[in-house]
This record gives sequence, C-alpha cells and structure tokens, in this order.
Amino acid sequence: GAVVSQHPSWVICKSGTSVKIECRSLDFQATTMFWYRQFPKQSLMLMATSNEGSKATYEQGVEKDKFLINHASLTLSTLTVTSAHPEDSSFYICSAGRWGQGAGLAGTEQYFGPGTRLTVT
Amino acid sequence: QKEVEQNSGPLSVPEGAIASLNCTYSDRGSQSFFWYRQYSGKSPELIMSIYSNGDKEDGRFTAQLNKASQYVSLLIRDSQPSDSATYLCAVIVIKAAGNKLTFGGGTRVLVKP
Repeated sequence: GAVVSQHPSWVICKSGTSVKIECRSLDFQATTMFWYRQFPKQSLMLMATSNEGSKATYEQGVEKDKFLINHASLTLSTLTVTSAHPEDSSFYICSAGRWGQGAGLAGTEQYFGPGTRLTVT
Repeated sequence: QKEVEQNSGPLSVPEGAIASLNCTYSDRGSQSFFWYRQYSGKSPELIMSIYSNGDKEDGRFTAQLNKASQYVSLLIRDSQPSDSATYLCAVIVIKAAGNKLTFGGGTRVLVKP
C-alpha cells in the first residue's frame, strides 16, 4: 500500500511556456500533499503544502504566482510551473501524507511519487 | 545549528556487514522520526518510521530512537550492494505554523562486494 504516482516522469519545454505535473495517491486518501524540488547533489527542498479544498501554504522564497498548486481531491494534486525558465529546471517530487499507525498527533508519514524531471530550454 | 544533522559520508561497508547510520536533531519537541532511502536520480522511499524510544525492527533494518539524547539511528544488517544509496533522516518538527517534515542532508552508503 501507499503508492503515489506522478505524471509526467520527465518533460522538456521551451522557456516561457507552462508545465503541469500531476500527483496521485493510488491506494489511499491523502490528508495532505507536499511538493518538493531537488537540484543535483542537494537535499530535498519543500516548496509547498496543500490540503484538499484549501489554498496551498508556500515556503518562504517560493513564488506562489509562479508555482500554482491545485488540490482538487483527496487523491489528486497538481503543480503548474508558469512561464518556466531554465533556472526552473529541476527534479520535482510530490508526496502524499497518510497517518502513521500509533503515531500520535505528529505522525503523518509521507510517501513520495517517482518525481518529474523538468528541463527548460 | 541545522535542525537535522547527518554525516554526509560516504560510509563504506563490506557486503554482509552492518551499516550504522546516525542522525541528531535539535528540536526537543520533535515527535516523529523517519528514515528514507534515495537511489541516485530517484525519489525517496520510506523504509522506517519510529515514534517512541527504543528499537524498532523491520527485516534487515533496525531503527533506534533516544529522545533524551536527541538522536535516531538506523542499522542495516547483512548489507547488500543493492543497499548502496543515500539515506535521509527526517523529523517532524513542531512549529506554530504547522508541523513540518525536515530532512537531514543524507548519508551516502556504499556497500562493496
């Protein structure tokens, strides 16, 4: 259990265009979904947290107008990179949160999708 | 001081030996602790979660949590070349704005045949 899919797995786009990435929890309903970015040889960087039916919470320094997040249901969240530029090229990974057994109040376990490699030319 | 600290490695381990990974965290209010494995070019995979002091075993993996000393460790028994990856320690840090999963920088493990 706890399978998360992401689509597409990779995308190449031209500078100035927009790209949409889908994240789905396949066998569970996710209380919360998260979007991360990872540059080569660096650690994961949380971009935003989203709950179904409400606005996403963005981390400091992440442009909410550039990275649009929609959390339409308990199993689907989308990230749209608007007006992409070469510096947006990165590995984008979503995760879906599920309550861990015996975890207590802070026990959301995050299960990651396979990631989307975005290259902007 | 980083919220979650790990030795970056690489930790070189002969096949069949025990790999021992350590992680320390700074926030005493942290309640939930996780180990993820990340292969190069892939996304992280949750391998262990631990919420209370003591040991938790799952197959060849054992997680150990000591809240008083603010450290969590991961032991990999009978290490295999397929265990070669970066292991990320992650902690849920309690913040006023909401709980947040915070990652350490990861420890790279190399298992040599």
